[in-house]
Amino acid sequence: GEDVEQSLFLSVREGDSSVINCTYTDSSSTYLYWYKQEPGAGLQLLTYIFSNMDMKQDQRLTVLLNKKDKHLSLRIADTQTGDSAIYFCAAGSYGGSQGNLIFGKGTKLSVKP
Amino acid sequence: ETGVTQTPRHLVMGMTNKKSLKCEQHLGHNAMYWYKQSAKKPLELMFVYSLEERVENNSVPSRFSPECPNSSHLFLHLHTLQPEDSALYLCASSHRPTGPQGANVLTFGAGSRLTVL
Repeated sequence: GEDVEQSLFLSVREGDSSVINCTYTDSSSTYLYWYKQEPGAGLQLLTYIFSNMDMKQDQRLTVLLNKKDKHLSLRIADTQTGDSAIYFCAAGSYGGSQGNLIFGKGTKLSVKP
Repeated sequence: ETGVTQTPRHLVMGMTNKKSLKCEQHLGHNAMYWYKQSAKKPLELMFVYSLEERVENNSVPSRFSPECPNSSHLFLHLHTLQPEDSALYLCASSHRPTGPQGANVLTFGAGSRLTVL
């Protein structure tokens, strides 16, 4: 089955760019997602990208997809202390599991002032 | 307000108790999900209901029993749980895609933090 891997921790200084990386195993994944989880809360969708795209930009967020290497990244420009949270990568494919999302373990982003 | 409401937010129960977690969505979605979130593990998909019919059960022990009485409500009935079942249980809903061109965007609730003593 699908496996999604992320590094567990990332620490950056306020104002720097953050890059969170993710790899997945199922080449038939049609959509890749990024979710954010703040303490005591559920997961909040940040953005998603269709597998036939290689980049998507939304304000401070840039998603890069390398489908050949099955590698996804999320870049946060001008990182703020309010960006401190856990970021989850997820992959979904249409077919037998009808779009069920498989999540990674999450990357905890710490932003230092 | 995320649009998906879970109650209770916190629950402590003994191994012999019976309790239920409740999830409610008013987003007009046609699918609802239970995920288990444990420390240092990926989110585990437990159950999926699409149009009130269970479409997935990922080898979850029978001490967890889901119920979906209508498209807006989802329950997780708990009985004779084990301490290793302590976790954050997340409910989500979505409008499941009918074809490969559609994204399956999940909206999550805040979760129910379960502690089994």
